[in-house]
Amino acid sequence: GIQVEQSPPDLILQEGANSTLRCNFSDSVNNLQWFHQNPWGQLINLFYIPSGTKQNGRLSATTVATERYSLLYISSSQTTDSGVYFCAVDGANAGGTSYGKLTFGQGTILTVHP
Amino acid sequence: KAGVTQTPRYLIKTRGQQVTLSCSPISGHRSVSWYQQTPGQGLQFLFEYFSETQRNKGNFPGRFSGRQFSNSRSEMNVSTLELGDSALYLCASSLAGRSGAFFGQGTRLTVV
Repeated sequence: GIQVEQSPPDLILQEGANSTLRCNFSDSVNNLQWFHQNPWGQLINLFYIPSGTKQNGRLSATTVATERYSLLYISSSQTTDSGVYFCAVDGANAGGTSYGKLTFGQGTILTVHP
Repeated sequence: KAGVTQTPRYLIKTRGQQVTLSCSPISGHRSVSWYQQTPGQGLQFLFEYFSETQRNKGNFPGRFSGRQFSNSRSEMNVSTLELGDSALYLCASSLAGRSGAFFGQGTRLTVV
């Protein structure tokens, strides 16, 4: 099946700093999403971005599908940005075995200090 | 529009018991998927239902089962609970299984 690798595994920042999180995937994808997992466990949608670039406030994301990677940019980080960030994909070449199935990376644990 | 709702939020069960978790998708979403999250294995896909039919299944033992009702609400059941089943169980809904998925708050199951 498709493999998803996220880097770095851990990231520690001072409030106000910028950061870039990376997601590499091993095959073509129909769907790529970025999530932020809050302290209570819920996965909060950040971006649905199988290709191209999107921005939402201090966050932006870029997916280069032909090179099989996606980047999540966080600018002017705040303590509330702390948590785990996941990239998840739906493989395009998996046929029926991809229905409803997102394959997740191991996540990046972001800690923002005041 | 209400989000994905999972009940209960927390459960404590004893080894050998069975448990049923519930998920109500976003209105209009017909695809419901279930995931298990543990510290050791991360987020793993359990199964997906669309229009009351299981279309996809992950690599979990038969003790894990699910179903979907005509209103798209879904339940998952775990029988003969083991300590290793302690996890956060997350449900996601989407319009057609190949669009963006939206997750509920999860059910945290502890098996003692």
